[in-house]
Amino acid sequence: GAGVSQSPSNKVTEKGKDVELRCDPISGHTALYWYRQRLGQGLEFLIYFQGNSAPDKSGLPSDRFSAERTGESVSTLTIQRTQQEDSAVYLCASSWQGSGNTIYFGEGSWLTVV
Amino acid sequence: QKEVEQDPGPLSVPEGAIVSLNCTYSNSAFQYFMWYRQYSRKGPELLMYTYSSGNKEDGRFTAQVDKSSKYISLFIRDSQPSDSATYLCALRGGNEKLTFGTGTRLTIIP
Repeated sequence: GAGVSQSPSNKVTEKGKDVELRCDPISGHTALYWYRQRLGQGLEFLIYFQGNSAPDKSGLPSDRFSAERTGESVSTLTIQRTQQEDSAVYLCASSWQGSGNTIYFGEGSWLTVV
Repeated sequence: QKEVEQDPGPLSVPEGAIVSLNCTYSNSAFQYFMWYRQYSRKGPELLMYTYSSGNKEDGRFTAQVDKSSKYISLFIRDSQPSDSATYLCALRGGNEKLTFGTGTRLTIIP
């Protein structure tokens, strides 16, 4: 597709369940980012993938959060044992050769933990 | 203290007015400065990018950076109702992480 694609667009889950969020970056983009945006807050960096290099996981808030990326394509963000404070929009972005200045965001996955 | 401070607003101005949006920051390692616009339930889209002190103009938008004061601004001239959105400043240092402000919600009143 032309842009960054994320699924699901909306997810309501019960506290304690695991969720998986998927991101398809723009074709040819080597860098992929996950950000979290809580209501009324700015975007919080979670994790960054660049090609085959080790990902920068410094923003993951706890060991319940993990992310994987297959080569230079799809990425999955997994949240285990979800808590209510995990409710947020999870935004994926991609860029060409890690040029952080021009990154393109998807529409986000809106997660609600009840 | 947050690394980036941004007044969350909301800010309402009449159509045609000049809008001024601002962020301050504390980390002098930030070298690159961006403004993103985010419509409701959409992802942020890049509006302006600059890496030096001074002004950069693009149509009705002007980005201003003052590194000595650690202060960045976005000006919107001849504001239109379609400019109603949340505006986020984003700053980057030597790595790939963008640090965002909380965003300012702007409404242009027709």
